[in-house]
Parts: sequence; structure tokens; C-alpha cells
Amino acid sequence: EVQLVESGGGLVQPGGSLKLSCAASGFTFSGSAMHWVRQASGKGLEWVGRIRSKANSYATAYAASVKGRFTISRDDSKNTAYLQMNSLKTEDTAVYYCTRHQYYYDSSGYYDAFDIWGQGTMVTVSS
Amino acid sequence: DIQMTQSPSSLSASVGDRVTITCRASQSISSYLNWYQQKPGKAPKLLIYGASSLQSGVPSRFSGSGSGTDFTLTISSLQPEDFATYCCQQSYTTGTFGQGTKVEIK
Repeated sequence: EVQLVESGGGLVQPGGSLKLSCAASGFTFSGSAMHWVRQASGKGLEWVGRIRSKANSYATAYAASVKGRFTISRDDSKNTAYLQMNSLKTEDTAVYYCTRHQYYYDSSGYYDAFDIWGQGTMVTVSS
Repeated sequence: DIQMTQSPSSLSASVGDRVTITCRASQSISSYLNWYQQKPGKAPKLLIYGASSLQSGVPSRFSGSGSGTDFTLTISSLQPEDFATYCCQQSYTTGTFGQGTKVEIK
């Protein structure tokens, strides 16, 4: 079964750190770019960042709101992606999802979308 | 940054109704537009990619159209399981999402 399972969420004080994990199964994880997306309660989805595959030099990119505080990494031997969150702020409180970046090709060209999502893990930043 | 604006933010409809949701990009994104469905407490589910291509396993009552800056998601005949929030996402650059449209039971 193709799936992503996040873990590591919890309650942390402002200024603290937390590391989320995203375990993949059922597909070739090593060849996939992986993204993190978050959703605050009652709000829309916000892209957090991504890590590309080894073939693309494990390149990372981040949203401006988390750049310099969050780090995405991966361990292809464990089929797992990680989101290290430092200097957490109350506004980082959200459900965090990992998702696979998939490419589609047809006669008009190529497109891409997030086709597999984990169930999400809740991060609460509060004193 | 590319901004995505959806309308309406919510709508009420009945089973069997035709429902249309629009998404507008702040600049041209060609056809790099995806649609997701999200139910309460669940992860988003990909419905449409490339503005009009149906993801495998998604019912054919869902369709997408548009290019450039204006896009539409249409549900041809609303079913009970379709009551959810729908969200667009541009993949022209790293993916900005729209704020969502909640489809409620009338």
C-alpha cells in the first residue's frame, strides 16, 4: 500500500525545537521529491518546504516564513523524510503534512502535483 | 509570489446540483493548476492536475478547465460524499494554495 505516515508532533514552548518524521512505503521513495505543507486550525494550506531526490542533489527550498528556522532532510535508506523545526513561534502551530511530488506527462507537456499525503501530525507551540 | 484567490469562500448546494468553483492566479500560470478535496480532519486528496486532467480513481463528475489566470472546478452532479472543502494550488512556481471553498449541504 502506498502511504506516508508522519510522527513527532506535540506541544512545545515558543523558542523550542521539534523534529517531525515522514515514513514512506509502497513506492520508490528515493526517486521522489518530498514536501511539507501545514494547515493552521480553520485556515488554508501553506507550503513549508521541499527536498528533492539524490539525482537532484537533495536540493531544498523553504517558505519565507520558515527559512532559517526549519530544515528538511531525508534518509533514503530508511524511506523517511524529516522536518527539523527550531526557534518555534506560536504562529507555527498547525497540522503538518508530508506529501509526495509527482510528475505527469501527456501530449501537452508535463505537470506536477502532490498526489500522496500523510495523515498529518499536530504541532502546538504554546507556553 | 503568486497569489491564488478562490471564490466563493463557501456555498450551499443540494445533492444533484451542478457546482462551480473558481480560482484566479495573480499572474499567468499556464495550465499549472491543481485541485484538491479535503474533508474535516483528513489530508487533502488530489482531484485534478494540469488544470483539466483527472487524477486516477477520481469520479468523472469532477472536471477542471481554464488556463492563464482563471480556472474552474466543476462538479456535474453533487453527491453526498462531495460535501467538503476544495482548494486550488499553482505548481508554476513552488505551490501556493488558494484559501479554499467549503461546499455545504443546503
